[in-house]
Amino acid sequence: DAGITQSPRHKVTETGTPVTLRCHQTENHRYMYWYRQDPGHGLRLIHYSYGVKDTDKGEVSDGYSVSRSKTEDFLLTLESATSSQTSVYFCAISEPTEAKNIQYFGAGTRLSVL
Amino acid sequence: SQELEQSPQSLIVQEGKNLTINCTSSKTLYGLYWYKQKYGEGLIFLMMLQKGGEEKSHEKITAKLDEKKQQSSLHITASQPSHAGIYLCGAENTGNQFYFGTGTSLTVIP
Repeated sequence: DAGITQSPRHKVTETGTPVTLRCHQTENHRYMYWYRQDPGHGLRLIHYSYGVKDTDKGEVSDGYSVSRSKTEDFLLTLESATSSQTSVYFCAISEPTEAKNIQYFGAGTRLSVL
Repeated sequence: SQELEQSPQSLIVQEGKNLTINCTSSKTLYGLYWYKQKYGEGLIFLMMLQKGGEEKSHEKITAKLDEKKQQSSLHITASQPSHAGIYLCGAENTGNQFYFGTGTSLTVIP
């Protein structure tokens, strides 16, 4: 298994509270991603990072912010959680080459916003 | 935005039967990735296809990319309960961003 750890694995929170999810890797991969997975929508990219302090928005970035102060850690923050952010969140890492960009995924964080 | 359509959305097969899952893109694919997800877990990388007409196999799973590089199929021979899960195809756009199909849920009945 790729060395990717997501924490927490499960979280229940209330609307309006801040939430931070953590992704930690031991592979020294340059790229890290945050996705959310919802029924009927599949996996959708929230934000990604291509290096320390280098991040960019994905398809569904509204309401989310990210930070990457170290190669190994990528944090996803919901500043004020809403019920529409109830989802399963996956972190992924990759080290793209010219030929390929295989992403390796963490086990996911199940977030419920009540 | 680019989209990947998968079919069927769900599949129930008897153990030992063969099955095929399709992934279709409206645009030319420059790399097509197949992943498997067990229920409640993360995605596991299966195979990647790049060239038109390319075919790869791993154990009893074969993936193909058509010549036009707009459609890929995943074929499982003699399915087993261990094959059950959600299969997703994914591709990358020019901005290093990945996008995925909505997945095909496979149930294998013993």
